[in-house]
Amino acid sequence: GAGVSQSPSNKVTEKGKDVELRCDPISGHTALYWYRQSLGQGLEFLIYFQGNSAPDKSGLPSDRFSAERTGGSVSTLTIQRTQQEDSAVYLCASSLDGIRGYTFGSGTRLTVV
Amino acid sequence: QQPVQSPQAVILREGEDAVINCSSSKALYSVHWYRQKHGEAPVFLMILLKGGEQKGHEKISASFNEKKQQSSLYLTASQLSYSGTYFCGTEGGGATNKLIFGTGTLLAVQP
Repeated sequence: GAGVSQSPSNKVTEKGKDVELRCDPISGHTALYWYRQSLGQGLEFLIYFQGNSAPDKSGLPSDRFSAERTGGSVSTLTIQRTQQEDSAVYLCASSLDGIRGYTFGSGTRLTVV
Repeated sequence: QQPVQSPQAVILREGEDAVINCSSSKALYSVHWYRQKHGEAPVFLMILLKGGEQKGHEKISASFNEKKQQSSLYLTASQLSYSGTYFCGTEGGGATNKLIFGTGTLLAVQP
């Protein structure tokens, strides 16, 4: 597609429920990243996929967080047993090859009530 | 570790210049700069690879001093459209190319 597409744009969920966030990167981009941005804060790295290599999961805050990337394209970030501190904007970005600039999606605003 | 940006915030009048600094405690391979407007996604401005090269993008340019592990973003003759939060992203090389983003600098350009 023309840009990085994320869905849903907004998600309100009850504490303890699981959520899935989707990212559709730019076609042909081999690198895909997930970041989290809390209100008024910076960008916190979560996970990085590059081609067929094992993902870099070093930024995932707990084992409640997981992500996969199917067929080298679409990625899903799953948060299990959501907590209020998980509330944030989750941003996905893709890059042509991991050494170029990132193109970010518009993000998913997650609110845990 | 997260790169530190300075200043945290700056207010300018249209036409004035500004410099935003990004400092890392780790050796750097590359530095990216992004601008994020309120409620929007960050937008890529430029990337600098180690070698001290200065790059330009309209009236916005940047330098990278890998020995000092620092980068600076220069905004000249600022325009209202320059308002937003600027983030540097640093990459230290190695096995993965993920960026660690800085603390951010809020820039407000007033008429």
